[in-house]
Amino acid sequence: GESVGLHLPTLSVQEGDNSIINCAYSNSASDYFIWYKQESGKGPQFIIDIRSNMDKRQGQRVTVLLNKTVKHLSLQIAATQPGDSAVYFCAEIRTGANSKLTFGKGITLSVRP
Amino acid sequence: AAGVIQSPRHLIKEKRETATLKCYPIPRHDTVYWYQQGPGQDPQFLISFYEKMQSDKGSIPDRFSAQQFSDYHSELNMSSLELGDSALYFCASSPQTGNTIYFGEGSWLTVV
Repeated sequence: GESVGLHLPTLSVQEGDNSIINCAYSNSASDYFIWYKQESGKGPQFIIDIRSNMDKRQGQRVTVLLNKTVKHLSLQIAATQPGDSAVYFCAEIRTGANSKLTFGKGITLSVRP
Repeated sequence: AAGVIQSPRHLIKEKRETATLKCYPIPRHDTVYWYQQGPGQDPQFLISFYEKMQSDKGSIPDRFSAQQFSDYHSELNMSSLELGDSALYFCASSPQTGNTIYFGEGSWLTVV
């Protein structure tokens, strides 16, 4: 996709609240979806993934929901902590010999103390 | 656990110079990807390799080339550098039979 420029959408939440970060993807042929967390100056860090034949998967404090009907992916973070402040990217993956990962638009999560 | 290793972490070059970035994938990962991320932007896919062959190509300039070697490490070569090439360059790897793609910490390239 095209870059949106220098300003990423921002979600501001109170520490201890739950956060919901949403993402729309484009390729209905994608096999997997991943959420990454990126802190300033660092590489994208894997958070959780989900297969295209699933609609929900839970990890530690995080849940990913997949709605293939509307091509929508969401990341729910329970009891948001200051350390969760970062840019979050969803990514869709086409697996196989020509495996390719395409990032969605990054969203900045800001946690208020 | 071993992660994706990139070198150098920081690199400063002048315009029209050449730069080479290296990537060492996670052991037993046979697929390598390169991404470019400008300041405040989303990572953009450049190129990928599977079993030492180019498998996909994204928005990689003609001035850039890459290859994957027999030990599965990869190098991204950038020539005739321009100011706009200043960015964070990520390498990622995955096993061909797997799904999750893991990223390195990136190489900062600054062109002055």
